[in-house]
Amino acid sequence: QIQLVQSGPELKKPGESVKISCKASGYTFTDYAMHWVKQAPGKGLKWMGWINTYTGKPTYADDFKGRFVFSLEASASTANLQISNLKNEDTATYFCARSGRVAYFDYWGQGVMVTVSS
Amino acid sequence: DIRMTQSPASLSASLGETVNIECLASEDIYSDLAWYQQKPGKSPQLLIYNANSLQNGVPSRFSGSGSGTQYSLKINSLQSEDVATYFCQQYNNYPWTFGGGTKLELK
Repeated sequence: QIQLVQSGPELKKPGESVKISCKASGYTFTDYAMHWVKQAPGKGLKWMGWINTYTGKPTYADDFKGRFVFSLEASASTANLQISNLKNEDTATYFCARSGRVAYFDYWGQGVMVTVSS
Repeated sequence: DIRMTQSPASLSASLGETVNIECLASEDIYSDLAWYQQKPGKSPQLLIYNANSLQNGVPSRFSGSGSGTQYSLKINSLQSEDVATYFCQQYNNYPWTFGGGTKLELK
């Protein structure tokens, strides 16, 4: 069955970096795009951008340009999100989510809670 | 950016009742709209795509409708397992944007 399994929760200090992984299984990884979605505590969903799993090309929403990097380990069917110079407002749950050619998200990871606190 | 406005923000309904949730886009999104259900502590689950297509495995009591800028999600015969927060999402124009959510509780 199709699964997106994300890495575990992270507790970081301001200014540090974090790398979150999303391992896909049950389908051909390069046939579907991978998106990243942020959910701050008690808040709604915000689309961060996506990565073309065939070419490796990332696309970032405006609010996520600069400190955020999407990458792949295609041989391992894994997408990664790295956030550098962490700020308190990065405290959130980060989801990976799959889409086909049309960008609605049919499978989601379980989410990774990142807490940024001094 | 396309702004997605959901109403109501919260809703209380009884078992067996019919529930409607609305989503208004700030411009025409040509039915490029999805609905998701998110239960506490869980990831969102796709219910509806292309405004009115039911995702595989989703109960038929869920349905979507609308066009242009106005869309709605209908839940017939509300069940206890439908208690959740519901989000709409447009995928017509970058950046893809979500509504603020509708929290559905049992009365």
